[in-house]
Amino acid sequence: GENVEQHPSTLSVQEGDSAVIKCTYSDSASNYFPWYKQELGKGPQLIIDIRSNVGEKKDQRIAVTLNKTAKHFSLHITETQPEDSAVYFCALSGSARQLTFGSGTQLTVLP
Amino acid sequence: DSGVTQTPKHLITATGQRVTLRCSPRSGDLSVYWYQQSLDQGLQFLIQYYNGEERAKGNILERFSAQQFPDLHSELNLSSLELGDSALYFCASSAFPGQGNTIYFGEGSWLTVV
Repeated sequence: GENVEQHPSTLSVQEGDSAVIKCTYSDSASNYFPWYKQELGKGPQLIIDIRSNVGEKKDQRIAVTLNKTAKHFSLHITETQPEDSAVYFCALSGSARQLTFGSGTQLTVLP
Repeated sequence: DSGVTQTPKHLITATGQRVTLRCSPRSGDLSVYWYQQSLDQGLQFLIQYYNGEERAKGNILERFSAQQFPDLHSELNLSSLELGDSALYFCASSAFPGQGNTIYFGEGSWLTVV
């Protein structure tokens, strides 16, 4: 089945710095890679996604890159702000069709 | 606001009891998913429905069951509850069930079993 590993589990950055979270997977049939942000007491919120026919996608301060050969994809947040503090989950779908989630990264942006 | 509505938001119940969690998908979405989130297991896929029919099953216990009604709302039934069932239960929806469809999550139902 599909498996996805997410690193790091915790990440602290200074406000204004960049944050990078990486996920690796094993199923070469995976072709959809969303990222979710979960704030305390709330449900996961889709922030960006990428499909396997695209190598990079950007939305303002957030970008996602995908390397299908190496089977990894990453979330990049630039110019971090305190409100970016949350748990971030990578996910993917492929042969199993349903989303499989990474274990999450607790991002803390220090003012 | 994702448009996915879940009730109740919080629920406390005793071991051995049965509860029902309810979900209304986003307007127009035909597919509903249930996920369980616990501290040690992360977000685990339980079950998926599409237009009233079960579409896929994940790590759902036999004590748990779900259904999707003609108006597309869904219910997750949890019975013979154990302490380990305490978790956040999320409902999510998408327009279609296929691979790569954007999935939107509700705010969750927090279940505490005492």
